[in-house]
Amino acid sequence: EAGVAQSPRYKIIEKRQSVAFWCNPISGHATLYWYQQILGQGPKLLIQFQNNGVVDDSQLPKDRFSAERLKGVDSTLKIQPAKLEDSAVYLCASSSSVIQETQYFGPGTRLLVL
Amino acid sequence: AQSVTQLGSHVSVSEGALVLLRCNYSSSVPPYLFWYVQYPNQGLQLLLKYTSAATLVKGINGFEAEFKKSETSFHLTKPSAHMSDAAEYFCAVSSPGANSKLTFGKGITLSVRP
Repeated sequence: EAGVAQSPRYKIIEKRQSVAFWCNPISGHATLYWYQQILGQGPKLLIQFQNNGVVDDSQLPKDRFSAERLKGVDSTLKIQPAKLEDSAVYLCASSSSVIQETQYFGPGTRLLVL
Repeated sequence: AQSVTQLGSHVSVSEGALVLLRCNYSSSVPPYLFWYVQYPNQGLQLLLKYTSAATLVKGINGFEAEFKKSETSFHLTKPSAHMSDAAEYFCAVSSPGANSKLTFGKGITLSVRP
């Protein structure tokens, strides 16, 4: 089966610009996660979707970050406006309703904000 | 609340030597525990997981981990290191049940010397 797909793989922008990342989870996976991984740290959950509803967005900086999963399949994460400290790898993961505890990760999008 | 502690940021072993990566957790409920590996410029790949069945868990690539409740530990081991094991390793904890959040440690970089 195909894995979690993410695009773009790399993005360089200047501060105050906007950027969007796309994720397509494994087919049939109901739960989708976005993580932020800053260099030298473990991934930190930003937002979790169950189908097209938000389960947990407690660590999402809502003044600049937004995410949607309109049809319960693929998802976009947006940053507007970007700050220098947003430089990180943004990982998308998905899990099935059968084996809920196992998350499968995409390759990530590496963002550099100058 | 739940958390993971991975002491140290870097471990170096010789090829063929024992690999031991330490992980201690904190959880208010019986935890699920995971080890993920991340190769350069790639997403996270699940090595193994503990979900309250056998306390000694075997994973991919010859790795195994033992859940020790009394020590709140879930250390990762491999009897004989291979050059291809060089990567970053993350321990993570979650709680049983739907929509449970995965909390990661900060990771340990494993280097393998020829």
